[in-house]
Amino acid sequence: GQQLNQSPQSMFIQEGEDVSMNCTSSSIFNTWLWYKQDPGEGPVLLIALYKAGELTSNGRLTAQFGITRKDSFLNISASIPSDVGIYFCAGRDSGGSNYKLTFGKGTLLTVNP
Amino acid sequence: DGGITQSPKYLFRKEGQNVTLSCEQNLNHDAMYWYRQDPGQGLRLIYYSQIVNDFQKGDIAEGYSVSREKKESFPLTVTSAQKNPTAFYLCASTWKETQYFGPGTRLLVL
Repeated sequence: GQQLNQSPQSMFIQEGEDVSMNCTSSSIFNTWLWYKQDPGEGPVLLIALYKAGELTSNGRLTAQFGITRKDSFLNISASIPSDVGIYFCAGRDSGGSNYKLTFGKGTLLTVNP
Repeated sequence: DGGITQSPKYLFRKEGQNVTLSCEQNLNHDAMYWYRQDPGQGLRLIYYSQIVNDFQKGDIAEGYSVSREKKESFPLTVTSAQKNPTAFYLCASTWKETQYFGPGTRLLVL
């Protein structure tokens, strides 16, 4: 099936540092989505990307849809303790169903105050 | 208040028992989904429904069943045939190409 590689698997950073994580796919995607999940809760949508090259910000978060349509990255600037959680990427394969997404395995972010 | 609700938050299942997880949305979304989440793994699709009275198997449908009698509701039954049901279950719905999640139900086996 479709493969989505998300890296890094985990990160330990100091408060105030910037963070970057990315996802790569084995095929072309039409949509990239980034989510954050707190322990015991459902994922919350952070940013949605719909066009190759698109760069979108949401507060301290910035995400980009790669030009090749096979990758996306998420940056968090000036991290704070409440940024702690698991960040997931997800995408819709251009050759797949309009209704199915593929998910990365997540990046666990820990922020030391 | 618009959104996706799941109940209960925690559910305990005895051996050989079927249990049903509830998912309701008032977002008027056509498509709804059920995922299973295990530690260290990504989300795995169990079933999805694009429209009322229609649903499709996902990647790990064995041991599960669903129904979609109303647009707002997409309940998931974990049957006794599912031998490893302990997991966090997430319901989602889609508007255009963007998927939104409920708060989840944690299922534990006694």
